[in-house]
Amino acid sequence: DIQVTQSPSSLSASVGDRVTITCRASQGISNGLSWYQQKPGQAPTLLIYAASSLQSGVPSRFSGSGSGTDFTLTISSLQPADVATYYCLQDYTPPFTFGGGTKVEIK
Amino acid sequence: EVQLVESGGGLVKPGGSLRLSCAASKFTFSSYTMNWVRQAPGKGLEWVSSISISSTYISYADSVKGRFTVSRDNAKNSLYLQMNSLRAEDTAVYYCAREVGYSGTYSLDYWGQGTLVTVSS
Repeated sequence: DIQVTQSPSSLSASVGDRVTITCRASQGISNGLSWYQQKPGQAPTLLIYAASSLQSGVPSRFSGSGSGTDFTLTISSLQPADVATYYCLQDYTPPFTFGGGTKVEIK
Repeated sequence: EVQLVESGGGLVKPGGSLRLSCAASKFTFSSYTMNWVRQAPGKGLEWVSSISISSTYISYADSVKGRFTVSRDNAKNSLYLQMNSLRAEDTAVYYCAREVGYSGTYSLDYWGQGTLVTVSS
């Protein structure tokens, strides 16, 4: 099975900062990675699919990049509404596997 | 808008069984692969299972293989998860999620609000 390592597990940044979250797969998964945002008490929502495609309705300050084993989610200018936990998902081949999550807070 | 509503959660003793349901509406259910994802209290997301359009392809996480069975009824727009031999570590909120494909990759574009399963004596 493909393992996914996400880092950091948490971060604190100021409003307007650029924030970067990383996921590394244990083997090559092409662009088979998606990113999800989960706010407290809510279900996750899809942000990025196919590593770099922005889901409809998601603000353009979110972007994804990477291919193979290394992937990045970037928030170009952190906003208070972005306080949440972010997860990557390896969806290249079953069994799918989530990263451990990154909790993003405002400093 | 797409709607997914889970039900069937509750308190069950270790070793017991429970059947979760997910009612789908506002989209053509029979055209999408569906997934179950769970989240233990205070923990991260864990993918549990997926089932293809015609139930031809089914996958499970190792942690539930042999104990959980996923199924669907396209005529009733419903997804199910039969959970047997439940353990304390199965305690979680269970979400159903729609899978969408794009150029050979997949993602979960709509999620239900989840149903809580608690396994405790």
